Amino acid sequence: DSGVTQTPKHLITATGQRVTLRCSPRSGDLSVYWYQQSLDQGLQFLIQYYNGEERAKGNILERFSAQQFPDLHSELNLSSLELGDSALYFCASKGAGSYNEQFFGPGTRLTVL
Amino acid sequence: GESVGLHLPTLSVQEGDNSIINCAYSNSASDYFIWYKQESGKGPQFIIDIRSNMDKRQGQRVTVLLNKTVKHLSLQIAATQPGDSAVYFCAERAPYNTDKLIFGTGTRLQVFP
Repeated sequence: DSGVTQTPKHLITATGQRVTLRCSPRSGDLSVYWYQQSLDQGLQFLIQYYNGEERAKGNILERFSAQQFPDLHSELNLSSLELGDSALYFCASKGAGSYNEQFFGPGTRLTVL
Repeated sequence: GESVGLHLPTLSVQEGDNSIINCAYSNSASDYFIWYKQESGKGPQFIIDIRSNMDKRQGQRVTVLLNKTVKHLSLQIAATQPGDSAVYFCAERAPYNTDKLIFGTGTRLQVFP
């Protein structure tokens, strides 16, 4: 158990809908990262937050957004869902220090029908 | 957390043998590298890391080698066990964004008795 929790574990929805994925980082970790793992793309970095502020962006679509709250949990919002958004979405957190590894949560499997 | 849909290179080894998983990274300025293991249904799990000022680092049954000249990483697993069966990813830290990790495509390790 990495200490990072994600909910829900599975999510099935229809095209055009909007969903919210939730992540709680390890206790004390200020950085939260979101990744998408699809069948044909591998693990892709989406976005990073540090202590409530956006720190870095990757290949995140404009239909997707995220935020980190004062209690450091984070939410990833996916809107106008398309079939191609079906994937595993992972959250990771990292402690202080520039070389600390990222610890991943168990992921949310999103299926868009 | 499984990547069964990906056309991953696969390494098949017999239980007890040593395994070597290779990875080519993309940016010569990357300064930090991590190997992750992903078992079916789970998020990536940290195995070992190495900084760019090192050539070799050893852990418990695992060794990572870094060849900066050819931008190559390898993960050696000694006395491979059935529990080592998983997909293994290397990741490099993007040099101009200190926390963003760029993941390789992964290698599936299959251990047979």
